[in-house]
Amino acid sequence: GAVVSQHPSRVICKSGTSVKIECRSLDFQATTMFWYRQFPKQSLMLMATSNEGSKATYEQGVEKDKFLINHASLTLSTLTVTSAHPEDSSFYICSARADSAPMGGYTFGSGTRLTVV
Amino acid sequence: AQSVTQPDIHITVSEGASLELRCNYSYGATPYLFWYVQSPGQGLQLLLKYFSGDTLVQGIKGFEAEFKRSQSSFNLRKPSVHWSDAAEYFCAVGGYSGGGADGLTFGKGTHLIIQP
Repeated sequence: GAVVSQHPSRVICKSGTSVKIECRSLDFQATTMFWYRQFPKQSLMLMATSNEGSKATYEQGVEKDKFLINHASLTLSTLTVTSAHPEDSSFYICSARADSAPMGGYTFGSGTRLTVV
Repeated sequence: AQSVTQPDIHITVSEGASLELRCNYSYGATPYLFWYVQSPGQGLQLLLKYFSGDTLVQGIKGFEAEFKRSQSSFNLRKPSVHWSDAAEYFCAVGGYSGGGADGLTFGKGTHLIIQP
């Protein structure tokens, strides 16, 4: 079945630094990737949608200059949290799908717990 | 705009008892509906999904869900819960817009507690 690998699973960084999170589709070509954010004990909120080779489409209220998304290949998308602050601490989850996937073929990564100190 | 409502934040059920988790959705086009389960600190596991056809959908771990268009609902059920079912359950809706597949909109989740 389709597998998405997300790395790192946990990261702690100092305030003001940048952190990169990788999302890889291991056995399929991910035409579209989605990034979600989940605050403790809350739901997942869609941050942005990225299509390979195109600029990401950000949801309302998400700062594109703070959350840089790159989808340079069909198997890799990265989310970079720039100049991280404690309020950016959250659980970030990616999801990927291929155009050829059956309806609703979204595959989720295992998530990245970001803690900014 | 699409939305998902899970009216129950917490549900407590005795082991062996039946379970129903409620989900109502709002979506402007043909909805694709999902139920996911999440254990603490973990990612999401897909339980089942509905796109079309038979409105009663069977999933993994003995779960099923019924799509009722007239009620805009997609409730999750299980006839007999096990202690290992304790987790957070999310209902989600998605679909396709002109630009391709939409990202999913999730409900706030229902925390399931199993009593021995």
